[in-house]
Amino acid sequence: EAGVTQFPSHSVIEKGQTVTLRCDPISGHDNLYWYRRVMGKEIKFLLHFVKESKQDESGMPNNRFLAERTGGTYSTLKVQPAELEDSGVYFCASSHFGGSTDTQYFGPGTRLTVL
Amino acid sequence: GDSVTQMEGPVTLSEEAFLTINCTYTATGYPSLFWYVQYPGEGLQLLLKATKADDKGSNKGFEATYRKETTSFHLEKGSVQVSDSAVYFCALIGTYAAGNKLTFGGGTRVLVKP
Repeated sequence: EAGVTQFPSHSVIEKGQTVTLRCDPISGHDNLYWYRRVMGKEIKFLLHFVKESKQDESGMPNNRFLAERTGGTYSTLKVQPAELEDSGVYFCASSHFGGSTDTQYFGPGTRLTVL
Repeated sequence: GDSVTQMEGPVTLSEEAFLTINCTYTATGYPSLFWYVQYPGEGLQLLLKATKADDKGSNKGFEATYRKETTSFHLEKGSVQVSDSAVYFCALIGTYAAGNKLTFGGGTRVLVKP
């Protein structure tokens, strides 16, 4: 069974540009999460989808970030326009049931560098 | 709100040494506790978890016990190998966490030398 995949693995863009990150969850997992780790700090929650619906987007930093999950399969996270402080590693995770005891399986992450 | 505090690294050890990484948490209710590991060049992997007080999670020779009285979930391994070199993250899902989001500690880098 394929794990969570993310694309691209690395992205280097200039301030003001747009970047779109993609996440493909494990097949059959209704729950999809986005997290990020900025400048070696804690990994922080961004948002949670249940199928195509946003269950919790309390961690989204501002309106420059837009996440979608059309059809309840893969998800995209767009940053527009990118700022220097957006640099970091963006992780995607998925889980089957979404309960507090359910394991979230993580992808390898996308390293974003904004110059 | 919920928070996790873990010891800062890096922790440098010799092969076969004993490893302890301290983790304490603040949360209301009865959170579920996790240790994730990130090996070089890879994503986060669940190492072990415990979902109620006094539970012990174990995997790959690592153990951690959920201690509610001390709000701790320390990670231990009796004899580390070079392949255990990685970054270790303690995390929790709070009882009242909307959407079951993970709250992470800052991570502890462990380097095991031959």
